[in-house]
Amino acid sequence: DGGITQSPKYLFRKEGQNVTLSCEQNLNHDAMYWYRQDPGQGLRLIYYSQIVNDFQKGDIAEGYSVSREKKESFPLTVTSAQKNPTAFYLCASSKAGSVLNYGYTFGSGTRLTVV
Amino acid sequence: AQKITQTQPGMFVQEKEAVTLDCTYDTSDPSYGLFWYKQPSSGEMIFLIYQGSYDQQNATEGRYSLNFQKARKSANLVISASQLGDSAMYFCAMREYRGSTLGRLYFGRGTQLTVWP
Repeated sequence: DGGITQSPKYLFRKEGQNVTLSCEQNLNHDAMYWYRQDPGQGLRLIYYSQIVNDFQKGDIAEGYSVSREKKESFPLTVTSAQKNPTAFYLCASSKAGSVLNYGYTFGSGTRLTVV
Repeated sequence: AQKITQTQPGMFVQEKEAVTLDCTYDTSDPSYGLFWYKQPSSGEMIFLIYQGSYDQQNATEGRYSLNFQKARKSANLVISASQLGDSAMYFCAMREYRGSTLGRLYFGRGTQLTVWP
């Protein structure tokens, strides 16, 4: 079955470390997204990519980096510059284009904790 | 300005009763789509219902319906006959047709719904 796989489910990071969150999809979707979720904040967009080898900053990109070398993969790196990285991270994908009812398919999320 | 506003941080409803979760949106684009997602405590996001800005009728999907009032820019989710399994966080989201951010969804802060027996 097609879907999005995020790994790991739980991740612990020490102060000053970079960590990478994995997101892989086999839905043949062109567009992929990373959101951060904090209690009471809803989902805030970090980065998104509409096509391979291209991506754009979202609303809270500082301290994060991404790559899109393959259509299926959109890893997110949380760098040491991100001062408050403890959060729940959701990856999503969708068909690209201007059709309004293209919703997202979400991964199951990664919970990152700084220790 | 917030694109999506959900003013109810938490809602409580008794099992088998109906409940309305509020959502207002802000856009100058005449073409847009509105979505509702459910997030149980496990964290997964589940798509519930979609309404397009040009749709003449309110969307319905089983026990879920969307009360779309275009002039008021509101897209409230109505859950009929609540079940204990409906307890979850609910997010309203919008996609605009035009602009450089084509394709992205804007989410509200969510409403935590608790269904009690």
